[in-house]
Amino acid sequence: EVQVVESGGGLVQPGRSLRLSCTASGFTFGDEVMSWFRQAPGKGLEWVGFIRGKAFGGTTEYAAPVKDRFTVSRDDSKSIAYLQMNSLTTEDTAVYYCAHGYSSSWNYFDYWGQGTLVTVSS
Amino acid sequence: EIVLTQSPGTLSLSPGERAIFSCRASKFIRTSLAWYQQKPGQAPSLLIYDASKRAAGIPARFSGSGSGTDFTLTISNLEPEDFAIYYCQQRSNWPPSITFGQGTRLEIK
Repeated sequence: EVQVVESGGGLVQPGRSLRLSCTASGFTFGDEVMSWFRQAPGKGLEWVGFIRGKAFGGTTEYAAPVKDRFTVSRDDSKSIAYLQMNSLTTEDTAVYYCAHGYSSSWNYFDYWGQGTLVTVSS
Repeated sequence: EIVLTQSPGTLSLSPGERAIFSCRASKFIRTSLAWYQQKPGQAPSLLIYDASKRAAGIPARFSGSGSGTDFTLTISNLEPEDFAIYYCQQRSNWPPSITFGQGTRLEIK
């Protein structure tokens, strides 16, 4: 059974940093795309960034609003993907979801975690 | 960047009726489109991919169609558990990006 579990959310002050973790099981983690999405309170879904599997060098892509502030990485030995978030602003307040790329690609996402809430406030 | 526009914003129907959702892409995207369902307090779940293929475990009452720029999600014979928000999603190769429509809320009439 595939499982994806996010952790690390919480309350953080503007300008500070936070790292989220996404622990996965039930599939060969190193082969797969893992992506982060977010959803601000009462709003729609927004893609944040993703990391490709080892066959594609673990390269990353980011949405424009977070590029140069957020970094996605992975530890295949632990089956964990990370989202390092720097220079946080109130606009980054959202539930952050981690998801598995369907069929080892980043076309669609078939397994999602339950989300972790990040609140940026002073 | 490709923009996805969903309509209507809200759909009010009764159990047993048919729901039809629309998603229009700002550029040609062949059949590279997915639909997701999201219930309150839950993560999205994949319903349809490649515009018309049902994801594993999705009931046959869910169907997708369309290609190019216009896509439709149809739910026939609505069940009480179908009332939720539905999003379409696509990916672009350059610049690499993933975008969602703004969502359609399906509410009980």
